Amino acid sequence: GQNIDQPTEMTATEGAIVQINCTYQTSGFNGLFWYQQHAGEAPTFLSYNVLDGLEEKGRFSSFLSRSKGYSYLLLKELQMKDSASYLCAVRDFDNYGQNFVFGPGTRLSVLP
Amino acid sequence: DTEVTQTPKHLVMGMTNKKSLKCEQHMGHRAMYWYKQKAKKPPELMFVYSYEKLSINESVPSRFSPECPNSSLLNLHLHALQPEDSALYLCASSLQLHPTSSETQYFGPGTRLLVL
Repeated sequence: GQNIDQPTEMTATEGAIVQINCTYQTSGFNGLFWYQQHAGEAPTFLSYNVLDGLEEKGRFSSFLSRSKGYSYLLLKELQMKDSASYLCAVRDFDNYGQNFVFGPGTRLSVLP
Repeated sequence: DTEVTQTPKHLVMGMTNKKSLKCEQHMGHRAMYWYKQKAKKPPELMFVYSYEKLSINESVPSRFSPECPNSSLLNLHLHALQPEDSALYLCASSLQLHPTSSETQYFGPGTRLLVL
């Protein structure tokens, strides 16, 4: 079966650092993606991990441990515009090709 | 151009209506996807097309009928929908269905559907 878990909501202060965790149990694994989604808008791609370790992209970093089925997204120097939902998605392959399974998303509120 | 476009942006329909959602991309992507997203929930995969052929149908009711007329277009035909079908319908595309790299899916802005 497929199970991806994230905290439902988080709150942080402008300028701070926040870590959003994602744990997964999936029948297959071929990469973990993080997306940002503002209310009523489409998800936009933030980061990708397929090997263990940290990937850094400006204010955003993402970490993966495949043995633990665990990832986190780290957001530094938070800005008000970072208030959004953050979706963790695992890519799996089956006979048909790639399949993205999304976690429930974490709603982040950045306060002044 | 990394854009996926969707029309209409908003749609209100009755349970006896027939309507269509449209999605278009010009990135040369050969895999296209339909997702359904309810409020405060993650996107749920409905259909996947690869090279204009239906690859995945995630047990979606027949009142939803996808169509891929060419490599740039993806339609979702709607007929006899129920109020619980009200949701944001997202289209996405990726270069191919069997990627070997960090290639991601690109999402369109979605169509917000309300069924009365």
